[in-house]
Amino acid sequence: GEDVEQSLFLSVREGDSSVINCTYTDSSSTYLYWYKQEPGAGLQLLTYIFSNMDMKQDQRLTVLLNKKDKHLSLRIADTQTGDSAIYFCAEASATNKLIFGTGTLLAVQP
Amino acid sequence: NAGVTQTPKFRVLKTGQSMTLLCAQDMNHEYMYWYRQDPGMGLRLIHYSVGEGTTAKGEVPDGYNVSRLKKQNFLLGLESAAPSQTSVYFCASSYSGALREQYFGPGTRLTVT
Repeated sequence: GEDVEQSLFLSVREGDSSVINCTYTDSSSTYLYWYKQEPGAGLQLLTYIFSNMDMKQDQRLTVLLNKKDKHLSLRIADTQTGDSAIYFCAEASATNKLIFGTGTLLAVQP
Repeated sequence: NAGVTQTPKFRVLKTGQSMTLLCAQDMNHEYMYWYRQDPGMGLRLIHYSVGEGTTAKGEVPDGYNVSRLKKQNFLLGLESAAPSQTSVYFCASSYSGALREQYFGPGTRLTVT
């Protein structure tokens, strides 16, 4: 069945790089997504990657996709305290739905 | 352009009471979704709609009903609330294109005692 897995928690120091990992199951997903949820708010799309790409870079964000292993990662360079949030990866199912992971809480220590 | 709005923001219900959560979007999106978010479980899809007048079950539909009488509104109903329905509820909407970026509302925190 469809299942997206993430580790629950990551702690880094300000200025370091953060890497959040995700594994997914549906190899037919056209897009894979990273969403960010700040405290008390809804989710916002952070970035996405098309399934025929291996890497996408967007300012401090780098998304890596390994289709063979069904592994997606999000790297945040020079992590700031404002990056503290819950990060969700998601894949698009064949039935117009997004399947979200459990979310990774990123805590940035000053 | 308000995006996706949800009312109410907070609600406390007693077991057995009923209520309706309202979601509205002003982006002319075809698709709308209701999720619940519980600690350690991520987002779980309750019901969704692919257009006005349509609804479909998601992953956890039991105990909830929905209606999409107007394109811009998606209502989530709890007929007889149970403590297990204590959660944060999020509404989202999206275009029907391949990218399917979902735009989320701010959430409704519901407590059932």
